Amino acid sequence: LAKTTQPISMDSYEGQEVNITCSHNNIATNDYITWYQQFPSQGPRFIIQGYKTKVTNEVASLFIPADRKSSTLSLPRVSLSDTAVYYCLVGEVKAAGNKLTFGGGTRVLVKP
Amino acid sequence: NAGVMQNPRHLVRRRGQEARLRCSPMKGHSHVYWYRQLPEEGLKFMVYLQKENIIDESGMPKERFSAEFPKEGPSILRIQQVVRGDSAAYFCASSPGGKLSDTQYFGPGTRLTVL
Repeated sequence: LAKTTQPISMDSYEGQEVNITCSHNNIATNDYITWYQQFPSQGPRFIIQGYKTKVTNEVASLFIPADRKSSTLSLPRVSLSDTAVYYCLVGEVKAAGNKLTFGGGTRVLVKP
Repeated sequence: NAGVMQNPRHLVRRRGQEARLRCSPMKGHSHVYWYRQLPEEGLKFMVYLQKENIIDESGMPKERFSAEFPKEGPSILRIQQVVRGDSAAYFCASSPGGKLSDTQYFGPGTRLTVL
């Protein structure tokens, strides 16, 4: 079962790049890595997903080294509205049962 | 295309009562997941269901908690004889299938308060 750990909190300033690393030492061959953003009193919102190397979309990039034991979410040029908790999810979904493990979340505070 | 719907958004129960939480997945999604989030904590997996089948309930407490996803209608998370420790936000997520790359989309959550 993949055990995921992430920093508890991280401060940044508007316009900076924020990088959050999630460690998942026990990641299985078939596990995907997904990142979510959560604002207070709301459900998690999908940001990005990857399996290996680098994935980029309109809001973030995800870097996954060759051994896949960690992944880094990169948020370019953050704004105040990016203040939220960010979770990594490592999981394998299969017919016999899934094993989904969320990291503890990283609270990102963007300051003006 | 409506997202994942959950109701009620807020639910207050007294100790010993039953709580029923409903989740309607996104259109076309046949897989539902339930998670619990205690105050100031992260998300904990509870159960994974397909239509009429419980696939994985390894995160569910052994007593008082049950879940179903009938052929017709929403998925239901049922908590019998609630206790104060059940106070939490309960989120459901849905995905189109069980493929490894299928993304889960979350609902807004139901906040349960047990008095």
